[in-house]
This record gives sequence, structure tokens and C-alpha cells, in this order.
Amino acid sequence: DAGVIQSPRHEVTEMGQEVTLRCKPISGHDYLFWYRQTMMRGLELLIYFNNNVPIDDSGMPEDRFSAKMPNASFSTLKIQPSEPRDSAVYFCASSRFRTVSYEQYFGPGTRLTVT
Amino acid sequence: GDSVTQMEGPVTLSEEACLTINCTYTATGYPSLFWYVQYPGEGLQLLLKATKADDKGSNKGFEATYRKETTSFHLEKGSVQVSDSAVYFCALSVRGAQKLVFGQGTRLTINP
Repeated sequence: DAGVIQSPRHEVTEMGQEVTLRCKPISGHDYLFWYRQTMMRGLELLIYFNNNVPIDDSGMPEDRFSAKMPNASFSTLKIQPSEPRDSAVYFCASSRFRTVSYEQYFGPGTRLTVT
Repeated sequence: GDSVTQMEGPVTLSEEACLTINCTYTATGYPSLFWYVQYPGEGLQLLLKATKADDKGSNKGFEATYRKETTSFHLEKGSVQVSDSAVYFCALSVRGAQKLVFGQGTRLTINP
């Protein structure tokens, strides 16, 4: 089976531009997570969905960030307008509901550079 | 709240040395514990896990034992290889909450 798919793998954009990151979770998984990784702050959970519904968006840094999951096989993370401090690697992960042991499966990440 | 504290890195060892990366946790309830590994330029991969006290997770020569009395889940390997160079994350999940809580990560470099 294919793993979590993210696109693009690399994105370079100028400050003020809109950026859209995409994720396709593993088929059959009902949870989807967006993370951001930087040297300074480590790995941060931004938002997660269950059955396409946002459950916890408390990690979204500010209103410039938004995430959607229109169906079970696709999610987007949008930054508008982008700023240099948004430069990071953004990971998408998915998991299947379990009563115990909720291991997540990560995509390869999108490296975003905002100049 | 729930939290994970890992040994600070970076850690640099020679090939065939013994490895221990310390991990302790604080959690309400009875967590499951995980080690994830991130190789350069890649996403995190599950390395091993344990779901109850005294369970030992193992994979690729790595081991970790769930110690409830010391709230620890230290990662060990008897003889490391250059290919083990990566960042290692300890994490927990608490029953009823589907998200993971990660430690800050420990960067490991193995020199030939």
C-alpha cells in the first residue's frame, strides 16, 4: 500500500504569497494530522481531523493558517499571506482509530521556504 | 498535562558502541509509548512501541522497556552502525486521545 503522500516536496515562495500544501492519507485511515518542524521549536502539532472533521486546531499559529479536509482522501494546509517565519518542514500523518496504541504514519514532508 | 522529556543531544558515538537515549514521561491515565526515527530528509517512522508496563518493544536491534515505576522508556542498542545516524523521538499516547505527544528529539551521529 502507498504511504502518506504529500505535495509538493519543496516549495519556495515570496513573502505575501499564498501557499497550499497537500496531503493524501493512507486509505482506510480516519485520522489526519498536520505538523510543523523547525530547529527552534521542534515538532509541533498544528491541527488534526477525524472523519474529515477538525477536532483540535489549537496548534494553528494564527489566522493566516487554515486547513481543510473535503473528503477522506485529501487535505490541504494553506498559508495566506506567507511570512519568512513560516519557513519549516510541514508533515502530514494519518492513523486508524484504535482503543490502544495510536501509532501515526508520516508523509515525507514539504519543505517550505519563504523569502 | 502530558509530556515527554528526552535526553538532550546531539549524541555522537563510534560504530559498534552501545547506545542509550533516555526518555521519561508524565501522563494522566495509562499511556502507550513509542520511539520514532527520522532519517535525513524523510518523515518520522515508527521504530518500536509498548502498550503496557514491562512490555519490551524491539526492532532493528533497538529495544525499549516500558517502566511504569520510573515512568521511563529508554531506547537501547548494543552495537550501533553508521546507518543508525538519525533523529530519535520518544512519544506517548493516552487512552481516549488519538494524538501523540512527542519529546524534543535526540540527534544521533555514528562515526565509522
